[in-house]
Amino acid sequence: GESVGLHLPTLSVQEGDNSIINCAYSNSASDYFIWYKQESGKGPQFIIDIRSNMDKRQGQRVTVLLNKTVKHLSLQIAATQPGDSAVYFCAEVNNAGNMLTFGGGTRLMVKP
Amino acid sequence: KAGVTQTPRYLIKTRGQQVTLSCSPISGHRSVSWYQQTPGQGLQFLFEYFSETQRNKGNFPGRFSGRQFSNSRSEMNVSTLELGDSALYLCASSLEMREPLMFGELFFGEGSRLTVL
Repeated sequence: GESVGLHLPTLSVQEGDNSIINCAYSNSASDYFIWYKQESGKGPQFIIDIRSNMDKRQGQRVTVLLNKTVKHLSLQIAATQPGDSAVYFCAEVNNAGNMLTFGGGTRLMVKP
Repeated sequence: KAGVTQTPRYLIKTRGQQVTLSCSPISGHRSVSWYQQTPGQGLQFLFEYFSETQRNKGNFPGRFSGRQFSNSRSEMNVSTLELGDSALYLCASSLEMREPLMFGELFFGEGSRLTVL
């Protein structure tokens, strides 16, 4: 598969463990955030979103936490699987709702 | 249903040339956005089109342009290519890009990998 060659922070976890990926955002006025997963050779894929009126949102095996005080997002993946290996990006949505500002990304590697 | 289709998937150009990339959104989607992905700058917003109108533009020089056709297909063009334009160009489509936000319905293509020599 194709690699974008990103020089990213890497999180390495054992299969079955929980993973926590962190993201700091810059715009305190942002009120909508999204986590994306990008596998090698593919475009980003929506995982989960959260609005600023929430602190936590859960999906299937994933949880997003939002701390507006310190402008911090985290993505928690439960029981991490080899298929979770990818680059994960957080993104802020602009007020008009037609633009995403992405964070730098974290590479998750799952060891079998 | 078919996903977002980008062509070409890979291309090589030389400095000074120009390039046109194409994006066919998911059937029924009217909004198309373009992003540039590079190792140094990550994912950066280029522009967004809805019903043939550019509604938002990122912080890129005028060498980067785009358009959307009546069938919602979109093209982006980069003129006078520079080495730094080497990147993965991603297109994303959705039904709408406005409140109520429907980012769960925003789908990305696999990208066009441009290499400038």
